[in-house]
Amino acid sequence: AQTVTQSQPEMSVQEAETVTLSCTYDTSESDYYLFWYKQPPSRQMILVIRQEAYKQQNATENRFSVNFQKAAKSFSLKISDSQLGDAAMYFCAYRSASGGRRGAQKLVFGQGTRLTINP
Amino acid sequence: GAGVSQSPSNKVTEKGKDVELRCDPISGHTALYWYRQSLGQGLEFLIYFQGNSAPDKSGLPSDRFSAERTGGSVSTLTIQRTQQEDSAVYLCASSLMGQQIYEQYFGPGTRLTVT
Repeated sequence: AQTVTQSQPEMSVQEAETVTLSCTYDTSESDYYLFWYKQPPSRQMILVIRQEAYKQQNATENRFSVNFQKAAKSFSLKISDSQLGDAAMYFCAYRSASGGRRGAQKLVFGQGTRLTINP
Repeated sequence: GAGVSQSPSNKVTEKGKDVELRCDPISGHTALYWYRQSLGQGLEFLIYFQGNSAPDKSGLPSDRFSAERTGGSVSTLTIQRTQQEDSAVYLCASSLMGQQIYEQYFGPGTRLTVT
């Protein structure tokens, strides 16, 4: 079974600074997808960024980028120019790419990192 | 367009009662997922629907939990004889197709409190 580990329960950063959230995962599969989701106090999970394991290039979405190290099974999220609206719980998630295999469609989540932005 | 909606937003029930949680997916989304978010267990997968069938219900924690989906749209998660450990936020998500890497869009969840 796949597992996802986020070792930082809480992080804080000054507004406009850069912060990196860590995520490691364990899998025996070679093809999969990785995601970072943001959960503000409203509880609604919002997709921040995703990475296909077969792609070597790290994904980027505006101020959000990832450092994907497949061999190390590491998938960190970097938030540049942090803004007050970035304050939330951040979850790293894994999804198999073996669409036909039972259990492949679900997301496997880490425990989350609570990010605080200091003005 | 409208996103995933869930009702009720909050539910308080007494131990031993049955509860029904509802999820309205985004129109046209054929795949629907239920997850549970609790303090002790984090975010856990419960069940996945493709259309009206549930090819993966491996995450349901006990036979007190069941779910159905009708008309390829609305889904209901039912918890019978609720226990205090069932207290959690129940999240529903939908996507265009289950077997492709389409984004899962989440609803705001139902916070269930069992007293």
